[in-house]
Amino acid sequence: QQQVKQSPQSLIVQKGGISIINCAYENTAFDYFPWYQQFPGKGPALLIAIRPDVSEKKEGRFTISFNKSAKQFSLHIMDSQPGDSATYFCAAQIINDYKLSFGAGTTVTVRA
Amino acid sequence: DTEVTQTPKHLVMGMTNKKSLKCEQHMGHRAMYWYKQKAKKPPELMFVYSYEKLSINESVPSRFSPECPNSSLLNLHLHALQPEDSALYLCASSQGLAGGPSNEQFFGPGTRLTVL
Repeated sequence: QQQVKQSPQSLIVQKGGISIINCAYENTAFDYFPWYQQFPGKGPALLIAIRPDVSEKKEGRFTISFNKSAKQFSLHIMDSQPGDSATYFCAAQIINDYKLSFGAGTTVTVRA
Repeated sequence: DTEVTQTPKHLVMGMTNKKSLKCEQHMGHRAMYWYKQKAKKPPELMFVYSYEKLSINESVPSRFSPECPNSSLLNLHLHALQPEDSALYLCASSQGLAGGPSNEQFFGPGTRLTVL
């Protein structure tokens, strides 16, 4: 039973464009929502994370939008660059628990 | 040092072999994890050690045997694996519950395991 649903499975964007990845969850006990970036042959790296007490968090070209009432959150990659081509996983966690519930992942390809 | 290291990077083994994967971190983290990741899939949690004690075993077959010799090291002993066990094995660490609310998990680069 997948606790976090992620879409789309893959997307292609032109250099300079905006990439948008959406995630939805059911468990209202989740209170920590990280995004991981993974390049081929590498481990996932934490990109940005948000707690449900804020609706948006921005770090450089990466922004998380969070809608607590809809139980949805999304990652926006602004001014997408070829170096952003990777697989992105959203995740959700209860802050005092060890388990991360991952989304299925989105493969982003940025065309030059 | 904010790095989790894993050795070896690649491992090929037969179904009758015994091998071990190693993981090390020097961030003072007290929770360490083993994950298995198949191609184009998210990581799947296998084991969690908290303060060097096994805290979570996600019903992993006994042919995988974890060990935490000290707070910086984590091993995964492999024996009599099957070809379907071929995957990327990831180690991660986090501060641990007693270390405060941060549960950010730092992942290592993984060991690419092939079982013939």
